[in-house]
Amino acid sequence: QVQLVESGGGVVQPGKSLKLSCAASGFTFRNFAIHWVRQSAGKGLEWVATVSYDGRDKFYADSVKGRCTISRDNSRSTLSLQMYNLRVEDTAKYYCVKHTGGSYSEPIERWGRGTLVTVSS
Amino acid sequence: SYVLTQPPSVSVAPGQTARITCGGDNLRVRDVHWYQQRPGQAPVLVIYNDKYRPSSIPDRFSGSVSGNTATLTINRVEAGDEAAFYCQVWDHDTHHPGVVFGGGTKLTV
Repeated sequence: QVQLVESGGGVVQPGKSLKLSCAASGFTFRNFAIHWVRQSAGKGLEWVATVSYDGRDKFYADSVKGRCTISRDNSRSTLSLQMYNLRVEDTAKYYCVKHTGGSYSEPIERWGRGTLVTVSS
Repeated sequence: SYVLTQPPSVSVAPGQTARITCGGDNLRVRDVHWYQQRPGQAPVLVIYNDKYRPSSIPDRFSGSVSGNTATLTINRVEAGDEAAFYCQVWDHDTHHPGVVFGGGTKLTV
């Protein structure tokens, strides 16, 4: 079955960097766009970034643009999110999320369990 | 950037009908999706493309869109339906494309 397993979260100081990873299995990874979505404690869902199935197209939320880089390795079925210059407001659980396929208008099909990032001095 | 507006909370008695709305500019021309998130769990897709249900979702859940408002309707609400619900679209804006979520609605049963 489809599985998305995030890793790399932890406690980091403001201004530092952190790299999140997502290992995918149970589907043909190279055929699907993947997103990162985050959620602060007790808050709603916030989209972070999207990478197209082939890695050519990348989209970022304004809140992280210039401070995050999303990338994928289709040969290894992995996704990553490199975050720079972290801020306290980046504290959240980060979910790796599989798109259904086809147009970006299609829904998000599956979510990982998330990895927690805490930015604190 | 595109904005989706949801009521923060909806309360309904067991067995009644819950309606959760999602407002957005010219929403009828977009594909609206709904996710249910129970406490401590990852979200789950319950309605996609305005009105379609994944096979695992009970037919008590339905969706509709009219004008600028999408509505998630849950008939015969059960205690287990208590969760946060989020609507979502893709913003095709040339300069700011991306996933857009509503602020979420907490359903209390």
